[in-house]
Amino acid sequence: DIVLTQSPDSLAVSLGQRAAIKCKSSQTILHSSNNKNYLAWFQHKPGQAPKLLIYRASARESGVPDRFSGSGSGTEFTLTINNLQAEDVAVYYCQQYYSPPHSFGQGTKVELK
Amino acid sequence: QVQLQESGPGLVKPSQTLSLTCTVSGGSLSPGSYFWTWIRQPAGKGLEWIGHIFNTGSGTYNPSLKGRISISGDTSKNQFSLTLDSVTAADTAVYYCASQWLADGLSTWGPGTVVIVSS
Repeated sequence: DIVLTQSPDSLAVSLGQRAAIKCKSSQTILHSSNNKNYLAWFQHKPGQAPKLLIYRASARESGVPDRFSGSGSGTEFTLTINNLQAEDVAVYYCQQYYSPPHSFGQGTKVELK
Repeated sequence: QVQLQESGPGLVKPSQTLSLTCTVSGGSLSPGSYFWTWIRQPAGKGLEWIGHIFNTGSGTYNPSLKGRISISGDTSKNQFSLTLDSVTAADTAVYYCASQWLADGLSTWGPGTVVIVSS
């Protein structure tokens, strides 16, 4: 099974500043047939369903603000939140869908400083 | 715009079978190129991928559930279902159904349903 490890577990960021969350995979999730990384990022707020932000490592889901961006390839990935807003306070998860079971990272809690 | 809604009992006794249904509206279970997926989150813990079916085919499951699980689709009702046998307190969680089109990520989620395993 593929294990995803996120870092840090939590971070506190001031309004308007940048947050960066890393996700490291225990093996590559780059699909050789199409050169796409099968990695997604989700935002999860209490009492709500998780919300897809990024898929295929760097494609932004429709309607997601452009302050959210994804990067990386192979085994190392980053979710960057620029100009952090109060509504961005949440837990963020990465998920690989390269190989079942489609595991999630342990989550990173983003709070306001 | 596809919408999903979970339904099922909120309380299940230990050793019994948990059965949940996800109703698809605004779209069709079949035909298509969708992964129909179940995910859960125990209180205070992270997200766990349970399994999925592709269109209405056979299921792919998390080995951690040790053969207790089955996911199936019913195109006549536009629903897909989860059954989990021999439940214990460790199966207490919020259960979500979600859908993914090919390699585009789990873009649509139900609101989630709480299941408590207790006698």
